[in-house]
Amino acid sequence: ETGVTQTPRHLVMGMTNKKSLKCEQHLGHNAMYWYKQSAKKPLELMFVYNFKEQTENNSVPSRFSPECPNSSHLFLHLHTLQPEDSALYLCASSPTSGTRSTDTQYFGPGTRLTVL
Amino acid sequence: GNSVTQMEGPVTLSEEAFLTINCTYTATGYPSLFWYVQYPGEGLQLLLKATKADDKGSNKGFEATYRKETTSFHLEKGSVQVSDSAVYFCALSRSGEAAGNKLTFGGGTRVLVKP
Repeated sequence: ETGVTQTPRHLVMGMTNKKSLKCEQHLGHNAMYWYKQSAKKPLELMFVYNFKEQTENNSVPSRFSPECPNSSHLFLHLHTLQPEDSALYLCASSPTSGTRSTDTQYFGPGTRLTVL
Repeated sequence: GNSVTQMEGPVTLSEEAFLTINCTYTATGYPSLFWYVQYPGEGLQLLLKATKADDKGSNKGFEATYRKETTSFHLEKGSVQVSDSAVYFCALSRSGEAAGNKLTFGGGTRVLVKP
C-alpha cells in the first residue's frame, strides 16, 4: 500500500533545532495518526486526528506539536528535542476514528529521526 | 487496560519450515485483532485481521484465528519463504469508545528465514 507518504525519510537534528515531519495520505481517509517506534519498545500512539480535530493526545511532551490543516495532511513539529526522542515516527490513516474498531489503519514508511 | 503480548524473537527458520508466532491479549469489550508486518526499511502493512470470535483471517499463506476463550490470535504459516523475513506485530483495536480504532501493539517478533 503506497497511499501514505512521509517526508523526510531520514532526519538528523540537534537539540536546539526546529524541524517538521510531513505526512500525506491519498486514500480519502478522515483519520490520521502519529506513532513512535523506539528500539525494544512497542509502538506508541502519540496523536489522533479525526476530521482535522485532535481527538487523542497520549501524554506526549509539548516539544512535539502536531498540526492537521486538512484530512489529507498531518505534520509533526519538533523543537528542543532530547536524544531519547530518536526513533522511527510513523504516520497512519484510516477511514474514520469513530466507533468502528474494525477499520484498518494504513501506515507510511516512517521518518527515521536522530537527535544529537 | 488493554495489552498485547507476543513471543519475543528473533525466530530463525529454514525455508519451507512451519511458522507460529504466539499472541495473547487483554482487553475489555470485543476488540478487533490484527497482524501487521514490517519489512526492513518500511512502514507497517496489514497482513490480516479478525473482527469477532472464531473469525479466521488469512492472507499470503498466513492464518490466525480469533480465540476468545483463550484470548489469543496466533499467527501461522505452513511453509515460509526467505521473503517472509520481517518483524510481525500483533495488535488490537478498542471498540465501543467515542474515539475508537486506536491500536495497541505487541512488542513485535522478528522472523528470519534462511535459505
